[in-house]
Amino acid sequence: DAKTTQPNSMESNEEEPVHLPCNHSTISGTDYIHWYRQLPSQGPEYVIHGLTSNVNNRMASLAIAEDRKSSTLILHRATLRDAAVYYCILRDDSGAGSYQLTFGKGTKLSVIP
Amino acid sequence: DTEVTQTPKHLVMGMTNKKSLKCEQHMGHRAMYWYKQKAKKPPELMFVYSYEKLSINESVPSRFSPECPNSSLLNLHLHALQPEDSALYLCASSHLSSGTQIQETQYFGPGTRLLVL
Repeated sequence: DAKTTQPNSMESNEEEPVHLPCNHSTISGTDYIHWYRQLPSQGPEYVIHGLTSNVNNRMASLAIAEDRKSSTLILHRATLRDAAVYYCILRDDSGAGSYQLTFGKGTKLSVIP
Repeated sequence: DTEVTQTPKHLVMGMTNKKSLKCEQHMGHRAMYWYKQKAKKPPELMFVYSYEKLSINESVPSRFSPECPNSSLLNLHLHALQPEDSALYLCASSHLSSGTQIQETQYFGPGTRLLVL
């Protein structure tokens, strides 16, 4: 069963904000929400993570719904370099334990110049 | 330095060949990972090493043999692979917290693109 649901693809104009949604209706109280992205021909890279409160870093912001059943990754000004597949990942202590990143299908973001 | 390096970038091998993939990091990370990524699919975990010991093997066939000779190096030895093993092989590393790792960031290398003929 998919733990997260994301749109397959999204488009954004360059220099405009982008809101990438993720649904995780079966999230448990101790699951962390992580976002990674994978640029073309590269390995995934960490973007941001959070538990309950909204989070900001130099790359992006993470808005977490009050019931934690959804979250949104916000890129404040999309650039061409932000074109990538964005993965929303729940991390817990099940399966391979807390080591595992279980990637879903992700959202492919295209940025239009 | 937050870089994970992988060599070679590309590899073509026959089904009877033996080859090795190499991964290196100098971030002092004591957890290292191998992931496999098929075309247009997400990465899937294969192996985890913690403190240079294999801690997780996600039911990977024995034709893939990982090795962690020291805290900076991770190898993946390949033997008698099948064409369906063609994929991007990603190495990653992370710090090891005491207890749960669910907040630790994993740093990925660019991968080795493997083609098995």
